[in-house]
Amino acid sequence: GIQVEQSPPDLILQEGANSTLRCNFSDSVNNLQWFHQNPWGQLINLFYIPSGTKQNGRLSATTVATERYSLLYISSSQTTDSGVYFCAAVNTDKLIFGTGTRLQVFP
Amino acid sequence: GAGVSQSPSNKVTEKGKDVELRCDPISGHTALYWYRQSLGQGLEFLIYFQGNSAPDKSGLPSDRFSAERTGGSVSTLTIQRTQQEDSAVYLCASSSKRVYGQFFGPGTRLTVL
Repeated sequence: GIQVEQSPPDLILQEGANSTLRCNFSDSVNNLQWFHQNPWGQLINLFYIPSGTKQNGRLSATTVATERYSLLYISSSQTTDSGVYFCAAVNTDKLIFGTGTRLQVFP
Repeated sequence: GAGVSQSPSNKVTEKGKDVELRCDPISGHTALYWYRQSLGQGLEFLIYFQGNSAPDKSGLPSDRFSAERTGGSVSTLTIQRTQQEDSAVYLCASSSKRVYGQFFGPGTRLTVL
């Protein structure tokens, strides 16, 4: 089956810093989603991005489907950005999740 | 509410007991999914319902797990004869062809003693 890998596994930032999270997937997928899991466990949709670039405030994402990767950019990070970021490949409507990047932002 | 809701939020049970977990999807969403999140296995797919089609049960870990969706809306995930390895957070999601992506509920944390 499809494998989804994320890097780095852990990231520690000071408030205001920028970061890039990477997601690689092993095979062609129908689509790709990025989620933020907050400290209370809620999975929050960030992007649904099969290809190209999308932006939402301080966050943006780029997926290059032909090269099987996606990037999530966080600019001017805030403490509320802390949590775990997951990418998930959409395969026949099911989500295949990566193992996540745990982000900690300190003031 | 506007989002996916799940109940109970927490469930503690004894090994061997049966449990039922409930999911109310976003109104109008035709697709409903169950996933679980555990320390050892990460986030994994369990079962998927789309409209009136037969569900995709390919992720269910054993025949102790079953799910149904009544009236194309509410879904119940049942775990029979619970085992300690069933302890996890069970997440429900729904989606619509009109709104891209799957939207998740807050989850049910199941602890099997």
